Amino acid sequence: GQQLNQSPQSMFIQEGEDVSMNCTSSSIFNTWLWYKQDPGEGPVLLIALYKAGELTSNGRLTAQFGITRKDSFLNISASIPSDVGIYFCAGQYYGGATNKLIFGTGTLLAVQP
Amino acid sequence: DAGVIQSPRHEVTEMGQEVTLRCKPISGHNSLFWYRQTMMRGLELLIYFNNNVPIDDSGMPEDRFSAKMPNASFSTLKIQPSEPRDSAVYFCASRPPGLAEGGEQFFGPGTRLTVL
Repeated sequence: GQQLNQSPQSMFIQEGEDVSMNCTSSSIFNTWLWYKQDPGEGPVLLIALYKAGELTSNGRLTAQFGITRKDSFLNISASIPSDVGIYFCAGQYYGGATNKLIFGTGTLLAVQP
Repeated sequence: DAGVIQSPRHEVTEMGQEVTLRCKPISGHNSLFWYRQTMMRGLELLIYFNNNVPIDDSGMPEDRFSAKMPNASFSTLKIQPSEPRDSAVYFCASRPPGLAEGGEQFFGPGTRLTVL
């Protein structure tokens, strides 16, 4: 199926460091979402973005909806061990007959205490 | 509030057997999605329902897969006959109505299916 290009694929960082990851698409989207998935669990929604240029924060997390509507990034500041997991971006174009989310390939984050 | 409920959490079966996965969406949500997650292909949308009606089943791999939503609080995904390549984690997600902007799907914990 169709997927977004998400990078990096994995990150191994020290506790306290900042993290940045991004997604790009060849298609424009009306909505960008960022999810986190813990082992053995389903993805959990972190941030939802609805407007080009929008910058939204959720605690130590900040995400932006790119101006071109073809990209988005997620920053995590002052990482802690519980930030470990897989982060997925997801984009949606609505206005057609279907409203499907297209998911990125995921970024695996490991945080060394 | 209860989230999306899926059962069973784990299923191990033999090739050729019928498998039925179950999902209870969040109360009040009117869209339901079935996904499959594998290392090779990531998260793939199989089918989604809006107001209990299947809207897009283009992601269903083949005729061995079928999904139903008999009412607003229950859906099943059936695989018959199952094959080893069907081994994956299957997620159900639901979305509330009235989101003009779209998005915001809420996922269940998943069912890990192993077909021997």
